[in-house]
Amino acid sequence: EAGVAQSPRYKIIEKRQSVAFWCNPISGHATLYWYQQILGQGPKLLIQFQNNGVVDDSQLPKDRFSAERLKGVDSTLKIQPAKLEDSAVYLCASSRGSGRDLNEQFFGPGTRLTVL
Amino acid sequence: AQSVAQPEDQVNVAEGNPLTVKCTYSVSGNPYLFWYVQYPNRGLQFLLKYITGDNLVKGSYGFEAEFNKSQTSFHLKKPSALVSDSALYFCAVRGSGTYKYIFGTGTRLKVLA
Repeated sequence: EAGVAQSPRYKIIEKRQSVAFWCNPISGHATLYWYQQILGQGPKLLIQFQNNGVVDDSQLPKDRFSAERLKGVDSTLKIQPAKLEDSAVYLCASSRGSGRDLNEQFFGPGTRLTVL
Repeated sequence: AQSVAQPEDQVNVAEGNPLTVKCTYSVSGNPYLFWYVQYPNRGLQFLLKYITGDNLVKGSYGFEAEFNKSQTSFHLKKPSALVSDSALYFCAVRGSGTYKYIFGTGTRLKVLA
């Protein structure tokens, strides 16, 4: 099966600019996750969708970050405006189930964002 | 609040020797525990998980992990290390009352030939 797709793979922007990342999960996977991984740290969950509803966004900086998953398939994550500390790899993952989904997560290759 | 700790930034082991990568956690309610591995230039991959039942869980590539409730630990083990096991390993936890996953900071495993 095709894996989780993300684009772009790399992005360089200046602070205060906007940026958007796209993710297409594995076909049929109900749950989609966005993580931020800063160099030297573990992934930090930003937002978790089940189908097109949000089940956790407690760590999403809502003043500048937004995400949507229209039609319960692909998803976009936006940062507006970007700050220097947003430099990180943004990972998208998906998993099969819904409800109390405890299935393994399949990760995409990530988007490496550099904010200058 | 949920948390997970990987106390060792790096673990070195000789090929053929047993390896252990440590993980301790803190959650409210029952813990759901996971190990993921990140090989160079590749994405995170699932290794194994503990949800309920037998404390010893077996996963991919010969890895296993032991859930110890009294010590709140979930250490990753392998009886005989391979050079190809060299990678970055992440422990993750989710409490039974939440959807949120918390990942540790990672442990770099280096297996020496």
